[in-house]
Amino acid sequence: QVQLQESGPGLVKPSETLSLTCTVSGGSISGYYWSWIRQPPGKGLEWIGNIYSSGSTNYNPSLKSRVTISVDTSKNQFSLKLSSVTAADTAVYYCARLSRAVALPDYWGQGTLVTVSS
Amino acid sequence: EIVMTQSPATLSVSPGERATLSCRASQSVSSDLVWYQQKPGQAPRLLIYGASTRATGIPARFSGSGSGTEFTLTISSLQSEDFAVYYCQQDNDWWTFGQGTKVEIK
Repeated sequence: QVQLQESGPGLVKPSETLSLTCTVSGGSISGYYWSWIRQPPGKGLEWIGNIYSSGSTNYNPSLKSRVTISVDTSKNQFSLKLSSVTAADTAVYYCARLSRAVALPDYWGQGTLVTVSS
Repeated sequence: EIVMTQSPATLSVSPGERATLSCRASQSVSSDLVWYQQKPGQAPRLLIYGASTRATGIPARFSGSGSGTEFTLTISSLQSEDFAVYYCQQDNDWWTFGQGTKVEIK
């Protein structure tokens, strides 16, 4: 059974860079697309971006200038960096695996709350 | 950016009754429409993709319809475990989500 686990600081200061890692267990990261999605408290979902195991990426145009997603196949991990954060970036951040059949999330991490505050 | 609008924001339904949720796209997304269910404290769960195809393991009481800009998720007979928030998402032009419909017990 594939499991995903987000990790990283739960508190980030404004203007700094948010960094999260998603560790995949129970399966290989190779041959799949992987995604970051976030959800501000009490609000809806926002797609951040996707990465293939080869390293090719797609980003939400509204976040593209601040986002970097990378993959480390040797560690079975992929990562998110979001620069110049503000309070509006406070959210639960989810990582997910995309199904090969339909390129949509079939496995999700539990989510991690990141708060942007001084 | 394609804007997804869901209605109503909250739907109060009695167990065993039918629930009908709507989702509208600001421009045509063909049949590239997805529905998710999210319960408190949990990640979303994929229900429907391609506007009408149930994901693996999803009960037949969930059905999706529509194309272009108007879509519907129907839950034919609500069970206790179906009370949750439902999101639509378009995957025609990158991904954008609706703001959600909360299905609550009447």
